Formats: sequence, C-alpha cells, structure tokens
Amino acid sequence: EVQLVQSGAEVKKPGESLKISCKGSGYSFTSYWIGWVRQMPGKGLEWMGIIYPGDSDTRYSPSFQGQVTISADKSISTAYLQWSSLKASDTAMYYCARGRIPLPRVPDAFDIWGQGTMVTVSS
Amino acid sequence: DIVMTQTPLSSPVTLGQPASISCRSSQSLVHSDGNTYLSWLQQRPGQPPRLLIYKISNRFSGVPDRFSGSGAGTDFTLKISRVEAEDVGVYYCMQATQLLYTFGQGTKLEIK
Repeated sequence: EVQLVQSGAEVKKPGESLKISCKGSGYSFTSYWIGWVRQMPGKGLEWMGIIYPGDSDTRYSPSFQGQVTISADKSISTAYLQWSSLKASDTAMYYCARGRIPLPRVPDAFDIWGQGTMVTVSS
Repeated sequence: DIVMTQTPLSSPVTLGQPASISCRSSQSLVHSDGNTYLSWLQQRPGQPPRLLIYKISNRFSGVPDRFSGSGAGTDFTLKISRVEAEDVGVYYCMQATQLLYTFGQGTKLEIK
C-alpha cells in the first residue's frame, strides 16, 4: 500500500525549534516529489513548498521561504519540515503529500496525503 | 500569484440531488505544454485532503463516477451527480500550472 505516515502532534513554546517528518512507503520514494501544505485552525490549504528526494531539488512558496526548511533523507524514505524558531502563528496542521507522477517535472497534482501533524505553539 | 476563487462557499444539498461547485482562476491555467493543471480535492471532517480529480476532468483511482470535473481556461466546475452522506466536507480546487501552487478558499458541502 502506498502511504505517507507523518510524525505525531507537537506542543512547543515560541522560539523553540522543531522538525516534523513524513515517511513514504509502498513506492519508490526518490522518484516522486513531496509537498508540504499548511492548514491553520478552521482555515483553508496553503502550499508551502516541495522537494524531489532523488536529488533534493527544493522549491518554496515565497510566503514560507526563509521561515521553514524542507529536506529529505532518501536512505530512510523520509521528508522533513523544520523551524528554527517557532511563533504562535505557526500553530496549524501540516500535511505532506506526494506528487502524482514519478517525474522530475514539478507535480501537476498531489495524490497521496499524510494524516497530518498538528503543531501547537503556545507559551 | 494565481488567485483561485470558489463559489459558493457553502452549499446545502438534499441527499440524492446534484451539487455543483465553481472555481475561477485569475489567469488562464493552460500551461506552456498545452495541459491545464487544475485539480479538485475533498476534505472530510477531521481527515486529510483527498485527490478527486486532476487535469480538469480525470478521476483519481477509487473516486466514484458520480464526481466529474469540467471546464477550460479560467473557469472550472466540480459536479456531484447524486450527493451521498459521505460527500459531506470541504472541497478545494488547486492549480499547479504555476509553481506557486494555489488553492481556492474551499466550499463546504452540507446536507439539508
């Protein structure tokens, strides 16, 4: 079964760092882009960025460039989203999702989604 | 950035009746390769999003055939031929023609 399994919920304080993960299984992890999407409480979906695990080519939304870092470790089929200094406004559900087709071309849609990781930042 | 605008934002529907959601983009979604990268996702309450339709009208694997997509250029529509209880949730359009992917605001489908 093709799936993305994300790490568990996190509760952090402002200023702390955090790295959440997304592990792919059931397919060739290095051949498909992985994207990250934010959903703030009660709000819609926002695209944050994508990474191609095959060569770590990474693209960011300008809104998130410099605010987060996307990375991948292809040896363990895992993509990451990390913050160096969290803010209360980072409180949200974060989803990873797989690009639909196994090509180096950027995804035309996202077909498999992780279950989400809830990040709560509060003093 | 390409702005995606969905209407309506809320759609109360009777079970067994059709439903339709519109999505309009601020500029043409026709890519230089000739394809149009408009997809539709469903998010049931408490669940992650799920791909329904890609490239305007292609149903993703396992998606019931009561879901259909249509449109061209800047105007797109998702139709549900006969709404079932399991269809309750929020529906999003998403464009992938321009690398800064953008989503519509979401349309909440609820049962009357």
